[in-house]
Amino acid sequence: EDKVVQSPLSLVVHEGDTVTLNCSYEVTNFRSLLWYKQEKKAPTFLFMLTSSGIEKKSGRLSSILDKKELFSILNITATQTGDSAIYLCAVRFYSGAGSYQLTFGKGTKLSVIP
Amino acid sequence: GEEVAQTPKHLVRGEGQKAKLYCAPIKGHSYVFWYQQVLKNEFKFLISFQNENVFDETGMPKERFSAKCLPNSPCSLEIQATKLEDSAVYFCASSQRVFGEKLFFGSGTQLSVL
Repeated sequence: EDKVVQSPLSLVVHEGDTVTLNCSYEVTNFRSLLWYKQEKKAPTFLFMLTSSGIEKKSGRLSSILDKKELFSILNITATQTGDSAIYLCAVRFYSGAGSYQLTFGKGTKLSVIP
Repeated sequence: GEEVAQTPKHLVRGEGQKAKLYCAPIKGHSYVFWYQQVLKNEFKFLISFQNENVFDETGMPKERFSAKCLPNSPCSLEIQATKLEDSAVYFCASSQRVFGEKLFFGSGTQLSVL
């Protein structure tokens, strides 16, 4: 069963549009949710969220977590072609016996066309 | 170093051959993770280490996969008797003190099994 579900799986928008990417999760002993951007190779870190309702912002990107409804959104305003990438959501949770796990969703492939 | 270094970048093996991948985590990072990504799909967790000790190996196909992180050496992931379905990009990531916080990823090793 998928613990981390991202939607949509792919999205095509025009430059200047605003997009919202979704990540829902179903884990017990949640610790944090992380967003990554993967362009050609290595994913690069965007945000880490641990508390509900506190928006994290970096330029045109922002993200928020809802721990009651078990989801997070990643917003990108005024999209540019350089935002084209796969956006990955990962959830860190305590899996018992002193062990933590970090599980990724399938990612959302965003394509921004000029 | 200040980045996770993975070698080689590309590796081609015939079915049944052995493949060995290397990862040097960022200096000072205690946790190392290996993930498998098939065709830009989801990241499949394989194994994590806390220093030289296996932290979580629940994702490892135990029959043919093994991994080590020895002192003063790069970490390694070895696949004995490779199969076609092992073709994937293998990512290594490291994090500092707290497990799973802000992973830094290497550029990956593209393994092609022919």
